[in-house]
Amino acid sequence: DQQVKQNSPSLSVQEGRISILNCDYTNSMFDYFLWYKKYPAEGPTFLISISSIKDKNEDGRFTVFLNKSAKHLSLHIVPSQPGDSAVYFCAARGSLGAGSYQLTFGKGTKLSVIP
Amino acid sequence: DSGVTQTPKHLITATGQRVTLRCSPRSGDLSVYWYQQSLDQGLQFLIQYYNGEERAKGNILERFSAQQFPDLHSELNLSSLELGDSALYFCASSVGQGARGYTFGSGTRLTVV
Repeated sequence: DQQVKQNSPSLSVQEGRISILNCDYTNSMFDYFLWYKKYPAEGPTFLISISSIKDKNEDGRFTVFLNKSAKHLSLHIVPSQPGDSAVYFCAARGSLGAGSYQLTFGKGTKLSVIP
Repeated sequence: DSGVTQTPKHLITATGQRVTLRCSPRSGDLSVYWYQQSLDQGLQFLIQYYNGEERAKGNILERFSAQQFPDLHSELNLSSLELGDSALYFCASSVGQGARGYTFGSGTRLTVV
Protein backbone atom coordinates (compact mmCIF):
# COMPACT_ATOMS: atom_id res chain seq x y z
CA ASP A 1 0.00 0.00 0.00
CA GLN A 2 1.74 3.09 -1.30
CA GLN A 3 0.75 6.03 0.87
CA VAL A 4 2.75 8.59 -1.11
CA LYS A 5 2.56 8.42 -4.88
CA GLN A 6 4.48 10.23 -7.56
CA ASN A 7 2.76 9.05 -10.70
CA SER A 8 5.19 10.57 -13.19
CA PRO A 9 8.50 8.70 -13.23
CA SER A 10 10.03 11.35 -15.45
CA LEU A 11 9.52 14.88 -16.72
CA SER A 12 11.34 16.92 -19.37
CA VAL A 13 11.18 20.71 -19.40
CA GLN A 14 12.85 23.40 -21.45
CA GLU A 15 15.27 25.68 -19.64
CA GLY A 16 13.53 28.83 -18.43
CA ARG A 17 10.08 27.25 -18.35
CA ILE A 18 8.13 26.06 -15.33
CA SER A 19 8.59 22.54 -13.93
CA ILE A 20 5.63 21.10 -12.03
CA LEU A 21 6.14 17.92 -10.06
CA ASN A 22 3.11 16.26 -8.51
CA CYS A 23 2.54 14.07 -5.48
CA ASP A 24 -0.56 12.41 -4.06
CA TYR A 25 -1.01 10.89 -0.64
CA THR A 26 -3.65 8.76 1.00
CA ASN A 27 -3.10 9.17 4.73
CA SER A 28 -5.00 12.19 6.07
CA MET A 29 -2.94 12.03 9.28
CA PHE A 30 0.22 13.23 7.55
CA ASP A 31 1.01 16.62 9.05
CA TYR A 32 4.10 17.80 7.21
CA PHE A 33 5.32 17.42 3.66
CA LEU A 34 8.78 17.73 2.19
CA TRP A 35 10.53 17.63 -1.14
CA TYR A 36 14.00 16.20 -1.54
CA LYS A 37 16.30 16.42 -4.54
CA LYS A 38 18.75 13.68 -5.40
CA TYR A 39 21.69 13.76 -7.78
CA PRO A 40 23.35 10.52 -8.95
CA ALA A 41 25.82 9.04 -6.46
CA GLU A 42 24.63 11.39 -3.73
CA GLY A 43 22.11 11.16 -0.95
CA PRO A 44 18.82 13.08 -1.11
CA THR A 45 19.04 16.70 -0.01
CA PHE A 46 16.22 18.63 1.58
CA LEU A 47 14.66 21.21 -0.73
CA ILE A 48 11.48 22.69 0.69
CA SER A 49 8.67 21.76 3.06
CA ILE A 50 5.15 22.73 4.02
CA SER A 51 3.03 22.25 7.08
CA SER A 52 -0.43 20.78 6.67
CA ILE A 53 -1.94 23.98 8.04
CA LYS A 54 -0.65 25.98 5.07
CA ASP A 55 -1.41 25.79 1.39
CA LYS A 56 1.70 27.41 -0.05
CA ASN A 57 5.35 27.85 0.79
CA GLU A 58 7.85 29.67 -1.36
CA ASP A 59 11.64 29.68 -1.35
CA GLY A 60 13.27 31.45 -4.25
CA ARG A 61 12.52 29.60 -7.47
CA PHE A 62 10.78 26.79 -5.58
CA THR A 63 7.15 26.83 -4.44
CA VAL A 64 5.23 23.99 -2.88
CA PHE A 65 1.44 23.94 -2.99
CA LEU A 66 -0.72 21.76 -0.77
CA ASN A 67 -4.35 20.87 -1.45
CA LYS A 68 -5.48 18.96 1.62
CA SER A 69 -8.96 18.21 0.39
CA ALA A 70 -7.50 16.55 -2.70
CA LYS A 71 -4.57 15.07 -0.76
CA HIS A 72 -2.29 16.51 -3.38
CA LEU A 73 0.86 18.57 -3.36
CA SER A 74 2.98 19.96 -6.10
CA LEU A 75 6.42 21.50 -6.48
CA HIS A 76 6.84 24.35 -8.93
CA ILE A 77 10.26 25.39 -10.15
CA VAL A 78 10.40 28.70 -11.99
CA PRO A 79 12.46 29.28 -14.03
CA SER A 80 13.88 25.80 -14.52
CA GLN A 81 17.63 25.54 -14.91
CA PRO A 82 19.81 22.68 -16.21
CA GLY A 83 21.24 22.27 -12.70
CA ASP A 84 17.76 21.36 -11.49
CA SER A 85 18.01 18.08 -13.40
CA ALA A 86 17.75 15.45 -10.67
CA VAL A 87 15.34 12.99 -9.09
CA TYR A 88 12.78 14.68 -6.84
CA PHE A 89 11.22 12.80 -3.96
CA CYS A 90 8.04 13.80 -2.21
CA ALA A 91 7.84 12.82 1.46
CA ALA A 92 5.13 12.98 4.10
CA ARG A 93 5.52 12.93 7.85
CA GLY A 94 3.42 10.69 10.04
CA SER A 95 3.43 10.25 13.78
CA LEU A 96 4.59 6.99 15.30
CA GLY A 97 3.54 8.10 18.77
CA ALA A 98 5.68 9.09 21.78
CA GLY A 99 7.08 12.07 19.95
CA SER A 100 8.54 9.99 17.15
CA TYR A 101 7.84 10.53 13.48
CA GLN A 102 8.53 8.78 10.21
CA LEU A 103 8.90 10.12 6.69
CA THR A 104 7.19 8.13 3.95
CA PHE A 105 8.67 8.74 0.52
CA GLY A 106 7.31 8.48 -2.99
CA LYS A 107 9.24 6.68 -5.73
CA GLY A 108 10.56 9.89 -7.20
CA THR A 109 10.27 11.85 -10.44
CA LYS A 110 13.31 12.32 -12.64
CA LEU A 111 13.39 15.88 -13.93
CA SER A 112 15.42 16.70 -17.00
CA VAL A 113 15.85 20.38 -17.86
CA ILE A 114 16.88 20.77 -21.47
CA PRO A 115 19.16 23.72 -22.30
CA ASP B 1 29.48 17.05 2.20
CA SER B 2 26.25 16.68 4.18
CA GLY B 3 28.01 15.83 7.43
CA VAL B 4 26.52 12.33 7.51
CA THR B 5 29.19 9.76 6.72
CA GLN B 6 28.42 6.30 5.43
CA THR B 7 30.94 3.55 4.87
CA PRO B 8 31.64 1.69 2.76
CA LYS B 9 30.36 3.40 -0.39
CA HIS B 10 30.21 0.15 -2.31
CA LEU B 11 29.98 -3.43 -1.17
CA ILE B 12 29.84 -6.60 -3.23
CA THR B 13 29.19 -9.85 -1.45
CA ALA B 14 27.80 -13.33 -2.04
CA THR B 15 24.43 -14.73 -1.11
CA GLY B 16 24.27 -16.08 2.40
CA GLN B 17 26.90 -13.72 3.70
CA ARG B 18 26.63 -11.04 6.39
CA VAL B 19 27.66 -7.41 6.07
CA THR B 20 27.75 -4.36 8.30
CA LEU B 21 27.02 -0.85 7.08
CA ARG B 22 28.20 2.05 9.15
CA CYS B 23 26.81 5.55 9.62
CA SER B 24 28.19 8.54 11.50
CA PRO B 25 25.50 11.18 11.98
CA ARG B 26 25.98 14.89 11.58
CA SER B 27 27.56 16.51 14.63
CA GLY B 28 24.88 17.24 17.22
CA ASP B 29 22.24 14.98 15.68
CA LEU B 30 20.79 12.39 18.02
CA SER B 31 18.46 10.55 15.65
CA VAL B 32 19.61 8.11 13.00
CA TYR B 33 17.32 6.64 10.36
CA TRP B 34 18.04 3.83 7.90
CA TYR B 35 16.36 3.63 4.52
CA GLN B 36 16.58 1.15 1.67
CA GLN B 37 16.19 2.13 -1.96
CA SER B 38 15.75 -0.80 -4.32
CA LEU B 39 15.53 -0.52 -8.09
CA ASP B 40 12.45 1.48 -9.12
CA GLN B 41 11.40 1.85 -5.52
CA GLY B 42 11.19 4.85 -3.31
CA LEU B 43 13.02 5.15 -0.05
CA GLN B 44 11.72 2.46 2.29
CA PHE B 45 12.04 3.22 5.98
CA LEU B 46 13.82 0.48 7.91
CA ILE B 47 14.53 1.65 11.44
CA GLN B 48 15.14 4.69 13.63
CA TYR B 49 17.35 5.21 16.67
CA TYR B 50 17.32 8.16 19.00
CA ASN B 51 20.19 8.68 21.45
CA GLY B 52 21.03 5.01 21.51
CA GLU B 53 17.51 3.64 21.74
CA GLU B 54 15.40 2.06 19.03
CA ARG B 55 12.40 4.29 18.44
CA ALA B 56 10.65 3.05 15.35
CA LYS B 57 10.67 0.11 13.00
CA GLY B 58 9.50 0.07 9.44
CA ASN B 59 9.71 -2.65 6.83
CA ILE B 60 12.86 -4.20 8.22
CA LEU B 61 13.41 -7.89 7.67
CA GLU B 62 14.21 -10.16 10.61
CA ARG B 63 17.55 -10.90 8.92
CA PHE B 64 18.44 -7.24 9.39
CA SER B 65 19.33 -5.56 12.64
CA ALA B 66 20.78 -2.25 13.72
CA GLN B 67 22.14 -0.47 16.73
CA GLN B 68 23.28 2.98 17.76
CA PHE B 69 26.37 3.24 19.91
CA PRO B 70 27.16 5.69 22.74
CA ASP B 71 29.13 7.88 20.34
CA LEU B 72 25.90 7.99 18.27
CA HIS B 73 27.24 6.22 15.23
CA SER B 74 25.00 3.46 13.95
CA GLU B 75 25.49 0.13 12.24
CA LEU B 76 23.06 -1.79 10.08
CA ASN B 77 23.73 -5.51 9.98
CA LEU B 78 22.39 -7.55 7.08
CA SER B 79 22.67 -11.33 7.31
CA SER B 80 21.82 -14.38 5.20
CA LEU B 81 21.93 -12.06 2.23
CA GLU B 82 19.74 -12.71 -0.79
CA LEU B 83 19.93 -11.32 -4.32
CA GLY B 84 16.90 -9.15 -3.56
CA ASP B 85 18.79 -7.35 -0.82
CA SER B 86 20.84 -5.59 -3.46
CA ALA B 87 20.00 -1.92 -3.02
CA LEU B 88 21.18 1.48 -1.93
CA TYR B 89 21.11 1.85 1.82
CA PHE B 90 20.88 5.39 3.13
CA CYS B 91 21.42 6.68 6.59
CA ALA B 92 19.96 10.01 7.66
CA SER B 93 20.22 11.99 10.85
CA SER B 94 18.35 14.77 12.60
CA VAL B 95 18.68 16.69 15.84
CA GLY B 96 15.47 15.42 17.37
CA GLN B 97 12.75 13.03 16.42
CA GLY B 98 10.57 15.54 14.66
CA ALA B 99 11.54 14.45 11.15
CA ARG B 100 11.26 17.98 9.80
CA GLY B 101 13.94 17.29 7.31
CA TYR B 102 16.61 14.71 7.63
CA THR B 103 20.17 15.08 6.44
CA PHE B 104 21.11 12.09 4.33
CA GLY B 105 24.45 10.46 3.76
CA SER B 106 25.55 9.50 0.28
CA GLY B 107 24.57 5.88 0.77
CA THR B 108 26.10 2.43 0.56
CA ARG B 109 25.47 0.49 -2.62
CA LEU B 110 25.17 -3.19 -1.76
CA THR B 111 25.38 -5.75 -4.52
CA VAL B 112 24.66 -9.38 -3.66
CA VAL B 113 25.88 -11.86 -6.26
